[in-house]
Amino acid sequence: TQLLEQSPQFLSIQEGENLTVYCNSSSVFSSLQWYRQEPGEGPVLLVTVVTGGEVKKLKRLTFQFGDARKDSSLHITAAQPGDTGLYLCAGAPGTYKYIFGTGTRLKVLA
Amino acid sequence: DSGVTQTPKHLITATGQRVTLRCSPRSGDLSVYWYQQSLDQGLQFLIQYYNGEERAKGNILERFSAQQFPDLHSELNLSSLELGDSALYFCASSVTSGGARIEQFFGPGTRLTVL
Repeated sequence: TQLLEQSPQFLSIQEGENLTVYCNSSSVFSSLQWYRQEPGEGPVLLVTVVTGGEVKKLKRLTFQFGDARKDSSLHITAAQPGDTGLYLCAGAPGTYKYIFGTGTRLKVLA
Repeated sequence: DSGVTQTPKHLITATGQRVTLRCSPRSGDLSVYWYQQSLDQGLQFLIQYYNGEERAKGNILERFSAQQFPDLHSELNLSSLELGDSALYFCASSVTSGGARIEQFFGPGTRLTVL
């Protein structure tokens, strides 16, 4: 069974702090995605990374795909209360489906 | 608003019963995915349909079944419900059925409570 482990599970930080969330697996993925989910809503796609070593930036968010395509990280600079939510990574082991990670619940305090 | 609609929003039923969850994909999307999200299991992929045909299967129980209709809406049927089936059920849709850059758009979910 392919698993995606995210760490930390929970994170509570002050506004303005930086943070990094990790997504790790022993399996290779053809691509990896990051989603953010807010209470009462479905996940919303933030980014897709495909190439090993790929780095993508989305405003204050930086996403990196590991060289071996087994892991990924999400770094948030100067976190804001609006960043609060559940962050999910999702890996595609093949063609037709994504496996979701265990999730990181982030709370940014004003 | 993702453009994916799900009904009902909430469903409360008893053990042993059967329920049907409905999903309408975004206009133009041919693929529909069903996921189950519970507190201890995270987001679990159940099944995918593409243009009416089953394309991929995940950890879907035999008590659960799904189908996609010619108008592309999909239904997830859950039968012989157990307490452990209580969860959020999400539907997602995408234009394509495969490839590395599948962009899935998620609906707001149906919260199922089995008493």
